[in-house]
Amino acid sequence: SQTIHQWPATLVQPVGSPLSLECTVEGTSNPNLYWYRQAAGRGLQLLFYSVGIGQISSEVPQNLSASRPQDRQFILSSKKLLLSDSGFYLCASTKANTGELFFGEGSRLTVL
Amino acid sequence: KQEVTQIPAALSVPEGENLVLNCSFTDSAIYNLQWFRQDPGKGLTSLLLIQSSQREQTSGRLNASLDKSSGRSTLYIAASQPGDSATYLCAVWNTGTASKLTFGTGTRLQVTL
Repeated sequence: SQTIHQWPATLVQPVGSPLSLECTVEGTSNPNLYWYRQAAGRGLQLLFYSVGIGQISSEVPQNLSASRPQDRQFILSSKKLLLSDSGFYLCASTKANTGELFFGEGSRLTVL
Repeated sequence: KQEVTQIPAALSVPEGENLVLNCSFTDSAIYNLQWFRQDPGKGLTSLLLIQSSQREQTSGRLNASLDKSSGRSTLYIAASQPGDSATYLCAVWNTGTASKLTFGTGTRLQVTL
């Protein structure tokens, strides 16, 4: 079965600082990978998804970016954080033959 | 545009009760439907996946049904336990949407002693 690792688990950053959240997947190859954000009291918002190395699709215009340097590695970045970037960031991966979606444990970002 | 609604938004039941959580969606052209559980401050845990050709799936005390024509799914939890307390979310994967799921906003369940 798939295992998704995210780090760091918790992050407190000042406004204007850079961001890098990492996600790695074990137990599968060539997965579709996703970054979601869950703001307090709100639903899940899809930010980026990737169907292969170097292939990134953006869902929401924002100051965040994503990269996929390796098959099972997905990175969420920002050059300058905004207060509105605070939230719970979840990485997810689909199981190829069924489309079942699996999530990591999440990274909680607080921008002060 | 697909819209997914979950009713009720919150539910409190005493331990031992059977309960049903509801999920409705507006576009029946779906590839699959998935139910998740989320504990506070944690990621989502996959509970059940129903492919579009299936009517239901079962895992332990959980049973999920799917009626595509009416745009509805239910998650049945038998003999509820305090450990079932969590937020339950459903999500649908529309055909032709390049691997994107649409999530409902969830039902927060509390099972009391």
